[in-house]
Amino acid sequence: AQKITQTQPGMFVQEKEAVTLDCTYDTSDPSYGLFWYKQPSSGEMIFLIYQGSYDQQNATEGRYSLNFQKARKSANLVISASQLGDSAMYFCAMREHHYNTDKLIFGTGTRLQVFP
Amino acid sequence: EADIYQTPRYLVIGTGKKITLECSQTMGHDKMYWYQQDPGMELHLIHYSYGVNSTEKGDLSSESTVSRIRTEHFPLTLESARPSHTSQYLCASSDDLGGSTEAFFGQGTRLTVV
Repeated sequence: AQKITQTQPGMFVQEKEAVTLDCTYDTSDPSYGLFWYKQPSSGEMIFLIYQGSYDQQNATEGRYSLNFQKARKSANLVISASQLGDSAMYFCAMREHHYNTDKLIFGTGTRLQVFP
Repeated sequence: EADIYQTPRYLVIGTGKKITLECSQTMGHDKMYWYQQDPGMELHLIHYSYGVNSTEKGDLSSESTVSRIRTEHFPLTLESARPSHTSQYLCASSDDLGGSTEAFFGQGTRLTVV
């Protein structure tokens, strides 16, 4: 069964600094996708970045990059130049597409707080 | 901007009442999902659907039921609400391009059962 693990319940970072949020996953399927979502206090889920299991390069989207280490089954999110508006919950998720199964499963999340 | 809508946004209801949480999307997505989330906690998948007339139970056991009679509509029903059902319910959809496409989320319904 697929599983997502986020070991950091909370992280603090100073404005303008970079921060890494950890995510490890477990799957026996060779084809899968990894996602990061941001959830502000208002509750909506905002898609940030995607990495496919066959992608050779790490994904980047503006200030977000994904440090994908397939052999270690890790997909850490790196936020560069943190801003106060980055304070939110961050969820790592995985989607397997295997035969007739297509579930999107989330980790427990990391609460990021950016301070001035 | 994602075109997926949930109503109501907030609901306070008494124990024993039947409720239906609505979720609609206008993107023509085949895949739809329901998640349950307590404040500040992880999202638990409770139901999902691959298309019309397809529904599956998720990893978290739930007393709720779902239906998928139309592609765009994926309502969730609780026949008899209880205080333990108090939570946020998030609906999501994605297209059928394997594992490479993100899911789009609605704004959520915050349910309180008193």
